[in-house]
Amino acid sequence: SQQGEEDPQALSIQEGENATMNCSYKTSINNLQWYRQNSGRGLVHLILIRSNEREKHSGRLRVTLDTSKKSSSLLITASRAADTASYFCATDAKGGSEKLVFGKGTKLTVNP
Amino acid sequence: GAGVSQSPSNKVTEKGKDVELRCDPISGHTALYWYRQRLGQGLEFLIYFQGNSAPDKSGLPSDRFSAERTGESVSTLTIQRTQQEDSAVYLCASSFGANLHYEQFFGPGTRLTVL
Repeated sequence: SQQGEEDPQALSIQEGENATMNCSYKTSINNLQWYRQNSGRGLVHLILIRSNEREKHSGRLRVTLDTSKKSSSLLITASRAADTASYFCATDAKGGSEKLVFGKGTKLTVNP
Repeated sequence: GAGVSQSPSNKVTEKGKDVELRCDPISGHTALYWYRQRLGQGLEFLIYFQGNSAPDKSGLPSDRFSAERTGESVSTLTIQRTQQEDSAVYLCASSFGANLHYEQFFGPGTRLTVL
């Protein structure tokens, strides 16, 4: 089964609004990563948060991690039409193989 | 420098034929990963290489799938006797090391269509 599960599956907002996407996972992790994908092709790494971190910022992105709830959120502030994409969380598994397990993603649409 | 490249970008084949998909990682990246993404789905891990060795092949769906890596560089994913359910985008990624503290850099993918 999927290690990471994002919700919502789809999100549509207006330019300038904030977008929040959530990710839940099942087993203990070393770190959690968020990726962005345009048009069903290559993914671009956005941010990595380690299991001993609670919050991380990068530009308009803010990621939180709550290991007690096994969940993470990605906040995009002041969204732009160019932020339209699918967003995936990916987790490793502590003590497991060196592979990332991706969720099904949240499809974000930012309307101009 | 150049990013991860994959070829071909699109491949249409007939059921039962064999296909080879190629990945050229970023120079110096020792770890290389293959994923499959079906339409509207997340990424499904297939296999990863550390150097030329594949410590984890657990994601390969069947014995029709195989992969190799040579010279700690280029990798080839081979699908024999393709089936329609093999239709998907196949994504390759590389990273500085297999330790998952490193980000993965993805190629643009190969879209495989099996008729």
